Amino acid sequence: NAGVTQTPKFQVLKTGQSMTLQCAQDMNHEYMSWYRQDPGMGLRLIHYSVGAGITDQGEVPNGYNVSRSTTEDFPLRLLSAAPSQTSVYFCASRQQGYTEAFFGQGTRLTVV
Amino acid sequence: DAKTTQPNSMESNEEEPVHLPCNHSTISGTDYIHWYRQLPSQGPEYVIHGLTSNVNNRMASLAIAEDRKSSTLILHRATLRDAAVYYCILRDAGTGNQFYFGTGTSLTVIP
Repeated sequence: NAGVTQTPKFQVLKTGQSMTLQCAQDMNHEYMSWYRQDPGMGLRLIHYSVGAGITDQGEVPNGYNVSRSTTEDFPLRLLSAAPSQTSVYFCASRQQGYTEAFFGQGTRLTVV
Repeated sequence: DAKTTQPNSMESNEEEPVHLPCNHSTISGTDYIHWYRQLPSQGPEYVIHGLTSNVNNRMASLAIAEDRKSSTLILHRATLRDAAVYYCILRDAGTGNQFYFGTGTSLTVIP
């Protein structure tokens, strides 16, 4: 049972480039979410989804797009990367009605 | 979501109990109290949660004040592996689909 898998683990982008951070879970969880963590800070919610075809914005959604076409996958897209998006990104999933969320190992993104 | 206040850092000797406090004076009646921890270079992991009564599990205990304005996470015997950042989070059971993290408490365990 892989849990929540994030790819890639590390990525360096140039300003203005686009990329997609992948997140997949094999637990059939309805809820999935993306967070970013900057140095010395807690996690901040970017976007979340309560099921396939349903997404919503969190605290810091600007500059990021998401979609949820399947239960398993919840990719995060950066359309035009900026240095302010340098951060560690975490994906999480949770089953409806349960409080325990499972987090991936994170993607460390550097935008130069 | 209501806010929580935690000390920035704490230290504990190995194999001694650790009490990690959390203040949440604006908690509402439907807010659950959750604790997660984040080990170095890893994603957060669930520790425990509760509503009104004290809770125990294999990892820790959660003591909730009678007025619910504060709570304490108790690690009964700290090990080196417990060195992590501990987050206290409130989530509304009815409308809070996701978690809002604060800056947490960084726990150092001294051998």
